[in-house]
Amino acid sequence: QVQLVQSGAEVKKPGASVTLSCKASGYTFDSEYMHWVRQAPGQGLEWMGIINPVGGSTTYALAFQGRLTMTRDTSTNTFYVELSSLRSEDTAVYYCARRGFSGMDVWGRGTTVTVSS
Amino acid sequence: QSALTQPPSASGSPGQSVTISCTGTSSDVGGYNSVSWYQQYPGKAPKLMIYEVNKRPSGVPDRFFGSKSGNTASLTVSGLQAEDEADYYCCTYAGGNSWVFGGGTKVTVL
Repeated sequence: QVQLVQSGAEVKKPGASVTLSCKASGYTFDSEYMHWVRQAPGQGLEWMGIINPVGGSTTYALAFQGRLTMTRDTSTNTFYVELSSLRSEDTAVYYCARRGFSGMDVWGRGTTVTVSS
Repeated sequence: QSALTQPPSASGSPGQSVTISCTGTSSDVGGYNSVSWYQQYPGKAPKLMIYEVNKRPSGVPDRFFGSKSGNTASLTVSGLQAEDEADYYCCTYAGGNSWVFGGGTKVTVL
């Protein structure tokens, strides 16, 4: 079955960077784009960006441009997201979600990132 | 890329219907038939319930119905059940390979 397995929780200090991973299995890796979505505590879902596994082209939400980098490793079927210059407001659960059915049809379980001094 | 507008809460008794609205602009909701809806339980990942305005993935009960008129999309849950108590989010393609979510609606089954 299609699965997205995300990396474990992270604790970072303000100003640091964090890299999260999302390993895809159960489908053809390069057949679907991958979204990244985050959710701050008690808040709603926020779309961060999307990456095309073929070629690695990306589109980022305006709120993250300059701080966000999405990549993929086709040899391990893994997607990555790096967020730099972390601040307390970046404390959130970060999800990868496969683009499918013109929506987001499969989601990872999420990775909790805590930014605290 | 402003968030779509959803009511913060909605409620209904078991067996009744509840409708959640999702208002955007002609550049997002009104411009594409790409509205999707997600159900999220506390501490869990969201689940796709509706895509392309009114299509249901396999396994989603036909009690969930999506529609759109102009710049506003709606999700109707009929025959409310206790298990429908959750947060619901709309999302749409907004052009330029970007997407935008609504603020979310907490549905309470009374």
